[in-house]
Amino acid sequence: KAGVTQTPRYLIKTRGQQVTLSCSPISGHRSVSWYQQTPGQGLQFLFEYFSETQRNKGNFPGRFSGRQFSNSRSEMNVSTLELGDSALYLCASSLERGPPDEQYFGPGTRLTVT
Amino acid sequence: GENVEQHPSTLSVQEGDSAVIKCTYSDSASNYFPWYKQELGKGPQLIIDIRSNVGEKKDQRIAVTLNKTAKHFSLHITETQPEDSAVYFCAASLYSGGYQKVTFGIGTKLQVIP
Repeated sequence: KAGVTQTPRYLIKTRGQQVTLSCSPISGHRSVSWYQQTPGQGLQFLFEYFSETQRNKGNFPGRFSGRQFSNSRSEMNVSTLELGDSALYLCASSLERGPPDEQYFGPGTRLTVT
Repeated sequence: GENVEQHPSTLSVQEGDSAVIKCTYSDSASNYFPWYKQELGKGPQLIIDIRSNVGEKKDQRIAVTLNKTAKHFSLHITETQPEDSAVYFCAASLYSGGYQKVTFGIGTKLQVIP
């Protein structure tokens, strides 16, 4: 079974631009969570989607948004990019047969804002 | 909310020695504790997990222990090998309001010296 895939793997954007990242969960997984990983802050939870609905949201500004499609694929968008948004963005999927539910991570998208 | 503290932040061991990483959590309602290994350029990989009704779990050279009273859990790696070098994350998961909330530790960079 294929793992979680994320595209693109690397991205360079300029301050003020916007960016959209994509995540395809493991087949059959309906929950997708997004995390921001930086050296100083570790893994910070952004939001979680289940059946096209946002169930949970972390403490990030409104510039960070996401959505989930009927096939469970998810996208996250960051508008008006700031230098501090440079990070590895990870998505994780889970089967939702729990609780608890094991999360499986994708390889991440490395975003660099210049 | 939940707070997870992890230490040490870096750990160097000789090949063949054991490595121990410790985590504490704050919310006694947390009931699922996964551990992830992240190699350079990759997403975190689930390596072992433990549920709150179990005190210890072992999988070959890796073991995890949980002390619910003290609210701490530990990862033990025996007979370390160079390929064990990576960043390890602990997490505490709380099921509330119909979904799971996962909080990660800051990570431990393990270096196994050949």
